[in-house]
Amino acid sequence: GAVVSQHPSWVICKSGTSVKIECRSLDFQATTMFWYRQFPKQSLMLMATSNEGSKATYEQGVEKDKFLINHASLTLSTLTVTSAHPEDSSFYICSAYEQYFGPGTRLTVT
Amino acid sequence: QKEVEQNSGPLSVPEGAIASLNCTYSDRGSQSFFWYRQYSGKSPELIMFIYSNGDKEDGRFTAQLNKASQYVSLLIRDSQPSDSATYLCAVDGSARQLTFGSGTQLTVLP
Repeated sequence: GAVVSQHPSWVICKSGTSVKIECRSLDFQATTMFWYRQFPKQSLMLMATSNEGSKATYEQGVEKDKFLINHASLTLSTLTVTSAHPEDSSFYICSAYEQYFGPGTRLTVT
Repeated sequence: QKEVEQNSGPLSVPEGAIASLNCTYSDRGSQSFFWYRQYSGKSPELIMFIYSNGDKEDGRFTAQLNKASQYVSLLIRDSQPSDSATYLCAVDGSARQLTFGSGTQLTVLP
């Protein structure tokens, strides 16, 4: 079946630094990918929709200048958390379509 | 603002029993409905989706949809300890964006 990978699976960074998370569709092409964030004991919240060849669409309340999304090819979307702060610590998950979710990236900002 | 409501639980059932998980949604125009299972620390995995009113069965799982009542449910027959997880209901909006409920934590007692 179709597989979506994410890298890294976990990352610890210092406050003020930037972190890039990669989401790849391994055996299919995805013109659209979705980025979610999940805080402990909470559900998934859609952050943005990543579109190949065009700008990402951000959900209300998500800072587009802080969470940079690049959909460089039909198999790769990246999320860069810029100037990360402890409140950005969360589980970030990408997906392609409704059934193909990446394994997630756990970000801890110290 | 689309809303998806789930009873957070926890819901405990004995092994072999039927677990019943419920979900209501606010957008009467919603067309597609999904159930995901999420183990602690992992990303969601799709169990079932349903588009039409009525029941849809897949192995031990049955999804039920009632659009008039804006209600969707998931039944798990012959529950196993390995079914212990958080179950997320999600509704598909425009551009295939999902709105998730807060999830119901299910524990199947051996």
